[in-house]
Amino acid sequence: RKEVEQDPGPFNVPEGATVAFNCTYSNSASQSFFWYRQDCRKEPKLLMSVYSSGNEDGRFTAQLNRASQYISLLIRDSKLSDSATYLCVVPGPGSASKIIFGSGTRLSIRP
Amino acid sequence: DAGITQSPRHKVTETGTPVTLRCHQTENHRYMYWYRQDPGHGLRLIHYSYGVKDTDKGEVSDGYSVSRSKTEDFLLTLESATSSQTSVYFCAIREDRDAGELFFGEGSRLTVL
Repeated sequence: RKEVEQDPGPFNVPEGATVAFNCTYSNSASQSFFWYRQDCRKEPKLLMSVYSSGNEDGRFTAQLNRASQYISLLIRDSKLSDSATYLCVVPGPGSASKIIFGSGTRLSIRP
Repeated sequence: DAGITQSPRHKVTETGTPVTLRCHQTENHRYMYWYRQDPGHGLRLIHYSYGVKDTDKGEVSDGYSVSRSKTEDFLLTLESATSSQTSVYFCAIREDRDAGELFFGEGSRLTVL
């Protein structure tokens, strides 16, 4: 099993829709999780951290389900500018220094 | 923006030649990472460093070596480049183990003919 797995998409949704995607991880000892956003041909940038109690930032909500070992990202009232690839990040097994990325989920918002 | 620069930004080379990519930071962060990104694979960790002269392997370390002789520089070397190493390489830095955020360089696009 891969350490971090994401549905590659692409998710193609209309503007204003709500979209959600998950990321599963294999290291049950992981304590911290993150979502990054990457625009085409650009470097990834931190979108939000994922806390055990969940985390909300405007239209974005991230949640953690430890029992099933997945994190989720929900985007409400999606905008055209939300079109990007969303990357799930989990510290690797054996060392919290080792940061593993999922392969990313592509999101495309249509007018 | 975090002070992290990669060089060269673009390079075309031939199979069998050595290549070194440089990552330079001005943030004095302890952790530095090298990733490669290919279509369908996302970002894959090559090597990382948790201090001067302290490095470890990532997911796809075969064919790559790294060195960190000072805090600000992390070098990635392909001893004998192959076409399968054609990729975009990203360097990232992180302040400490408990600080989650990685800051990335702009990437180095390497083409091996």
